Amino acid sequence: KAGVTQTPRYLIKTRGQQVTLSCSPISGHRSVSWYQQTPGQGLQFLFEYFSETQRNKGNFPGRFSGRQFSNSRSEMNVSTLELGDSALYLCASSLGGTVSSGNTIYFGEGSWLTVV
Amino acid sequence: GENVEQHPSTLSVQEGDSAVIKCTYSDSASNYFPWYKQELGKGPQLIIDIRSNVGEKKDQRIAVTLNKTAKHFSLHITETQPEDSAVYFCAASPPPGNTGKLIFGQGTTLQVKP
Repeated sequence: KAGVTQTPRYLIKTRGQQVTLSCSPISGHRSVSWYQQTPGQGLQFLFEYFSETQRNKGNFPGRFSGRQFSNSRSEMNVSTLELGDSALYLCASSLGGTVSSGNTIYFGEGSWLTVV
Repeated sequence: GENVEQHPSTLSVQEGDSAVIKCTYSDSASNYFPWYKQELGKGPQLIIDIRSNVGEKKDQRIAVTLNKTAKHFSLHITETQPEDSAVYFCAASPPPGNTGKLIFGQGTTLQVKP
């Protein structure tokens, strides 16, 4: 069974540009969450999508957005890139129920974004 | 909101020794506590998790304990091996929703010396 797949793995963008990252969840998983990982701030939750609807949102500016398609695949977009957006962006998937009901969250390998 | 504190930030042990990493959380309504291992250049890998209706869970050399009263949980690795060297993260799943949102600790870099 394939894991969480993220593309592209590495990319370099210029300040002011925008970027779109893609995530394919584990087959059968309906929830997709996105996280930003940096050396200074650690792992921070961006947002979660379930059944094409944003279900949870972290404390990031509106430049960070996402969406989910009917096949549960998800994309996140960052507009007007800043140097501080350089990070590892991780996608995680789960079945979609509550964790108290047994839901488990699995991560992909991430997309490394460098903003120059 | 939920806050997770993890310590130590670095831990060095000899092969065969045990390693313990501790985390505390702030929101008593959090009810799910996973641990992830992250190797260089890779995404976090779930190694064990515990839910709030359980006090301890074990999987071979790895165990996790949860003290809901004190709001802390710990990862125990016995008989450490060099391949256990990695960064370990604890996390908590806070309300509302308790769904795909996790709050992570700052991570512990574990070095196992052969």
